[in-house]
Amino acid sequence: NAGVTQTPKFQVLKTGQSMTLQCAQDMNHNSMYWYRQDPGMGLRLIYYSASEGTTDKGEVPNGYNVSRLNKREFSLRLESAAPSQTSVYFCASSEAGVSYNSPLHFGNGTRLTVT
Amino acid sequence: GESVGLHLPTLSVQEGDNSIINCAYSNSASDYFIWYKQESGKGPQFIIDIRSNMDKRQGQRVTVLLNKTVKHLSLQIAATQPGDSAVYFCAENIGDGGSQGNLIFGKGTKLSVKP
Repeated sequence: NAGVTQTPKFQVLKTGQSMTLQCAQDMNHNSMYWYRQDPGMGLRLIYYSASEGTTDKGEVPNGYNVSRLNKREFSLRLESAAPSQTSVYFCASSEAGVSYNSPLHFGNGTRLTVT
Repeated sequence: GESVGLHLPTLSVQEGDNSIINCAYSNSASDYFIWYKQESGKGPQFIIDIRSNMDKRQGQRVTVLLNKTVKHLSLQIAATQPGDSAVYFCAENIGDGGSQGNLIFGKGTKLSVKP
C-alpha cells in the first residue's frame, strides 16, 4: 500500500519555465491537498479538492493552478515559475475533509528549486 | 492574528527518557488538534489527534494533553528511542474545517535523541 505518491522527487527550473507536480493516492480518499513548506515557516495550504470535481484556493494560491483529474490524482501546475516558488511541495489526502479521525496523509514531497 | 507556536525549537533527550514537546495556540474556537512527526527528507506523518472536548488522549508510547484554559497542547513520548528523532509539528483546525483543510501548522520542534 503506497499511500500518497508524488513525482518528481526533485526538480530545478529556470525562472519562467512551467511544470506540473503529480500526486496520486491509493487510499480511496475523497479530499486532496497541496501544501508548501519553507524554512522557518509551517506548512501552508496552496489548493485543496474536497471531492472529485471540485477545487478551492487555500492560503497561498497565487502562481499555481490545480487539476483533480479523478478521485486518485491531484496535480499542481506552475505556469511561470519564480524564485519565490522555491520550496518543498507536499501533497496530502484525507478520507473526508479535515476532522477528528480523518487526518491528513502526506506524500514525501517534491523539492523544487527555481533559479 | 491566529497562530500556532512552539515553546522550544529544539529538544535534546537521552535515549530511554521521556520527552515533552509543547505547543501554544491562540484560537479559542479551534476544535481539533493534531501532532505530526517529520523525518528528514520525508513528509509529515500523523501521530495522534485530540478534540477540543477532550483533555487527554493516549496512543502507543505517546500522550497528548490539551489545556484549553491556557491554550496549550503537549506531546509526551515515553521511553524515547533514536527512531523518535525528527521534527514534530502541532496543528490546529480553525473553524469549520470540514473539507476546507483549515489546518494551521506550527513551525516545528526538532527532537534529538542521544544514545
